Amino acid sequence: EVQLVQSGAEVKKPGESLKISCKGSGYSFTNNWIAWVRQMPGKGLEWMGIIFPGDSNIRYSPSFQGQVTISTDKSISTAYLQWSSLRASDSALYYCVRHGGNYSFDYWGQGTLVTVSS
Amino acid sequence: EIVLTQSPGTLSLSPGERATLSCRASHSFSSKYLAWYQQKPGQAPRLLIYGASSRATGIPDRFSGSGSGTDFTLTISRLEPEDFAAYYCQYYDSSRVTFGPGTKVDIK
Repeated sequence: EVQLVQSGAEVKKPGESLKISCKGSGYSFTNNWIAWVRQMPGKGLEWMGIIFPGDSNIRYSPSFQGQVTISTDKSISTAYLQWSSLRASDSALYYCVRHGGNYSFDYWGQGTLVTVSS
Repeated sequence: EIVLTQSPGTLSLSPGERATLSCRASHSFSSKYLAWYQQKPGQAPRLLIYGASSRATGIPDRFSGSGSGTDFTLTISRLEPEDFAAYYCQYYDSSRVTFGPGTKVDIK
């Protein structure tokens, strides 16, 4: 069974750094692109970027380029989303999603809630 | 850059009724790049339709997708109680992804 299991909720202060994770299982992790999607409270879905674990090829949304870093460690089938300096506006639910081919995302992680507050 | 617009923003219907959701693109593209997702409160989104008209695994046949070019439609033939949710269309062309703002289907 394909699963994407994300790390737990985080509460951080503005200016702090953060790295959240997404562990894939039940499939060959290096063969499928993994994307990150933000959902702010009560709002819609925003694509942040996408990475191919096989060669770490990354594409960022222009809206998030320079604001976050996406990476993977294929040895442990895990993708990461990180911030070097959080802002209150980064408070949101973050999903990792697997590209299943057919230009769509067939498996979603359970989401990681990030709260940034002083 | 492709921009997706969904209408209506909210659709108020009763169980058993037919729901028709629209997704319009700023520029024409191949239908293979268009997908639809359902999101219920407190849950992650779920893939419903890919390639504009192909149902994902396990999706009931009351859900259907159609359209081409700039105009795409998700139809729910007869609404079940579990279908009241938010629906998003999505474009992905291997270099970028765009989601529409969503349509909320609520109970009338």
